[in-house]
Amino acid sequence: ETGVTQTPRHLVMGMTNKKSLKCEQHLGHNAMYWYKQSAKKPLELMFVYNFKEQTENNSVPSRFSPECPNSSHLFLHLHTLQPEDSALYLCASSQGDIVSTDTQYFGPGTRLTVL
Amino acid sequence: DAKTTQPNSMESNEEEPVHLPCNHSTISGTDYIHWYRQLPSQGPEYVIHGLTSNVNNRMASLAIAEDRKSSTLILHRATLRDAAVYYCILRGPLGGGSARQLTFGSGTQLTVLP
Repeated sequence: ETGVTQTPRHLVMGMTNKKSLKCEQHLGHNAMYWYKQSAKKPLELMFVYNFKEQTENNSVPSRFSPECPNSSHLFLHLHTLQPEDSALYLCASSQGDIVSTDTQYFGPGTRLTVL
Repeated sequence: DAKTTQPNSMESNEEEPVHLPCNHSTISGTDYIHWYRQLPSQGPEYVIHGLTSNVNNRMASLAIAEDRKSSTLILHRATLRDAAVYYCILRGPLGGGSARQLTFGSGTQLTVLP
């Protein structure tokens, strides 16, 4: 138990569906992250929020839309996804202070399958 | 972040020490060396980090070469639960294209044999 929870753990959706992934951290952290892990590929950063402000968007397609209403919650809204978007989506949080020593805590991930 | 090189895979016997190497010949003086691991079907988990001196915590030890061009993560007694992909990551004051991202490579797949 890392203090970062993600729901749902598994999600199957069609290409025309709209769904949302939720992440919640109970660590009092200020920074939250979305990563994507596709099969046989390294983790890729998608978005970073620091003190509820989006500070990084790593050239992510607009069919992925993040939302950070407060420092404890992070959402990833999904719409009109493609089968190649099937992957493990990981949320992480960190203190968000000194980058060199900032430790990220990851949730268990949401396994997404797009049909 | 500067590049790291790790072996693709390693094997160890249960209850024996494991030494996981990482080369980072282009490390800068302000880069910290971080290790994370990812167990099957889980998110990555922080293991340890250090700058120059060797570091110990309840999970592992980190041995850093004097010239800092390489480091070794040491699991003192491997258990079956230590089977995972281990990632060596460098983080500087302003890391890579994103100031806050962790840049994961392919890591080392550790197999622990009973």
